[in-house]
Amino acid sequence: NAGVTQTPKFQVLKTGQSMTLQCAQDMNHNSMYWYRQDPGMGLRLIYYSASEGTTDKGEVPNGYNVSRLNKREFSLRLESAAPSQTSVYFCASSELGARDNQPQHFGDGTRLSIL
Amino acid sequence: GNSVTQMEGPVTLSEEAFLTINCTYTATGYPSLFWYVQYPGEGLQLLLKATKADDKGSNKGFEATYRKETTSFHLEKGSVQVSDSAVYFCALSANNDYKLSFGAGTTVTVRA
Repeated sequence: NAGVTQTPKFQVLKTGQSMTLQCAQDMNHNSMYWYRQDPGMGLRLIYYSASEGTTDKGEVPNGYNVSRLNKREFSLRLESAAPSQTSVYFCASSELGARDNQPQHFGDGTRLSIL
Repeated sequence: GNSVTQMEGPVTLSEEAFLTINCTYTATGYPSLFWYVQYPGEGLQLLLKATKADDKGSNKGFEATYRKETTSFHLEKGSVQVSDSAVYFCALSANNDYKLSFGAGTTVTVRA
């Protein structure tokens, strides 16, 4: 049971470099999400995709872009990494979206450090 | 807007002690409420949920009751184990919204 798979698990970048975080789910879920987790701040939503072909901004979208490549995959791109983007990034998916009370299933996270 | 406030941690307990983690919320309409748990090095897992007032969610010995009058969803467990050491997040989803709003998380450490 793979569930939600994120790659890579760890990454160190220099300021200004670009990078794409990959996420794939094998549960045939419609909705997918990208969060960042910072100490004392819980999880904050960066972007989400309610269904294939749609994406929307969350609380903290600045400095990020996303692509819903197909129903399974949802990638997060940092075009020009900044030290403030040092964080743990989580991808999640759900069958119909939070408004339908369906739980979100999370990957194990990507630990990203920007020097 | 929607928001969730959790008691600050960290919380350190002895095995078999009683655990309470307070959670209050602000939301429009009638939100659904969730508790998620994050074990070290892992992603979040749903622990329990409640979708309407007075509902009680329960799982793995944990319970939480949706109290609309006090806008609260406190998490309780009567006898904790070392394996309950984790970070616990309270979250809500409001009507017609695809997003979850999370609290800051409470770190719980249970000592043998």
